[in-house]
Amino acid sequence: EVQLVQSGAEVKKPGESLRISCKGSGYSFATFWIGWVRQMPGKGLEWMGIMFPGDSGPIYSPSFQGQVSISADKSISTAYLQWSSLKASDTAMYYCARHWQVGGTRVIDYWGQGTLVTVSS
Amino acid sequence: DIQMTQSPSSLSASVGDRVTITCRASQSISSYLNWYQQKPGKAPKLLIYDASSLQSGVPSRFSGSGYGTDFTLTISSLQPEDFATYYCQQSYRTPVHFGQGTKLEI
Repeated sequence: EVQLVQSGAEVKKPGESLRISCKGSGYSFATFWIGWVRQMPGKGLEWMGIMFPGDSGPIYSPSFQGQVSISADKSISTAYLQWSSLKASDTAMYYCARHWQVGGTRVIDYWGQGTLVTVSS
Repeated sequence: DIQMTQSPSSLSASVGDRVTITCRASQSISSYLNWYQQKPGKAPKLLIYDASSLQSGVPSRFSGSGYGTDFTLTISSLQPEDFATYYCQQSYRTPVHFGQGTKLEI
């Protein structure tokens, strides 16, 4: 059974750094793209970026380029989303998402349970 | 970027109704359109990919159609568990964008 298990909720202050994680199991982690999706309180879904574990660098949405870092360690089947300096506007639920290559496209077929990040002074 | 516009933003319906949600892309995306269902407090779930392919395990009352810029999600006979928010998503080109969502209410 494919599972993406994310790290727990975080409460941080503005300016602090943070890394959240997503551990994949039940499939070959290194052979599927993995990405992140943001959902701000009461709002819709925003695709942040994606990467192929152990391969070339991440692909970011322009809206998130320079704001976050996406990485992965295929040896432990874990993807990461990192901030160097959080802002209150980063308060949101963050989902990791497995992207399944089907034909000429990538489809999100599995989602983590979400990590709630709250940034408040 | 390719922008996605859903309509309506919200919809009231009853159990047994047939419901259609529309999604329009700002430019042609071939058939690279996916539909997700999200219930409150839960992660989204893939329903339909490649415009009309039903994801494994999804009930056959869900169907999708369309090509190019105009797409629809149809639920043939609403069940109580179908009341949720539905999102379309283009996967033709990065950055990927979702529609703003359609909240389906009783």
